[in-house]
Amino acid sequence: GIQVEQSPPDLILQEGANSTLRCNFSDSVNNLQWFHQNPWGQLINLFYIPSGTKQNGRLSATTVATERYSLLYISSSQTTDSGVYFCAVAETSGSRLTFGEGTQLTVNP
Amino acid sequence: DAGVIQSPRHEVTEMGQEVTLRCKPISGHDYLFWYRQTMMRGLELLIYFNNNVPIDDSGMPEDRFSAKMPNASFSTLKIQPSEPRDSAVYFCASKRQGRETQYFGPGTRLLVL
Repeated sequence: GIQVEQSPPDLILQEGANSTLRCNFSDSVNNLQWFHQNPWGQLINLFYIPSGTKQNGRLSATTVATERYSLLYISSSQTTDSGVYFCAVAETSGSRLTFGEGTQLTVNP
Repeated sequence: DAGVIQSPRHEVTEMGQEVTLRCKPISGHDYLFWYRQTMMRGLELLIYFNNNVPIDDSGMPEDRFSAKMPNASFSTLKIQPSEPRDSAVYFCASKRQGRETQYFGPGTRLLVL
C-alpha cells in the first residue's frame, strides 16, 4: 500500500513564529487532505489539496503531485494551533485514506 | 448544521463484554467511515460505507468486529467479545458523494479492562 511520511515528528515554536510541515508519499495520489487534531482529540479537516496551492487565513498548503510531496505552512502561530497535524492520502477518489504518523506541534506563549 | 454525532463518548468495559459504538453522519452525506486511533498504529480505516453498503472492510481487524449501516442516518460498530488490545479511540467520519473532504465526529474513547 501507499506509504506516507511526515516531518518533523515534533515541533516546538514560540507564538508568532512561522513553520512548515512536510508530507511525502510513495505513489501517485488523487486525494490528499490535511487535518488538525486539537489537544482534546477533535479532528478537523484543514485542506483537500491533491495538487496546487490553497490558503485559509494563516494556513496555506501546497501539493506538488509530480514530486509526491505536500507542505503545510502556518504563519504567525498561536497557542491554539497546538496539536497534531496529519496528512492523509488516497490513490483514487472515493477510496480509503492512509494517514501519516503526524507532526506534534506545540506553540508556547 | 449538526456535525457527525457519536455515542457514547467514553466506554469502559471488561474483557469479554460486547461493545456497541454508534454514529450518526451529517445529513445528506453518502459515505460513512469508521477509524481507529492508537498510539502504536496511528489512525487506521476499519471500514467504509457508500449509500449504506459496505465497500471496503479490509481494515477490520478480525471477526470480533462487525459494522452495520441499517439506514442513511445511523451506523454501529460492534466488538464481541472485547479484548484489552481493542482499547483505542474510535472515530466515525462522513462525506458527500463527489466531495473528498471528510468530517470527523468527536470519537469514542474505549477502554477494555
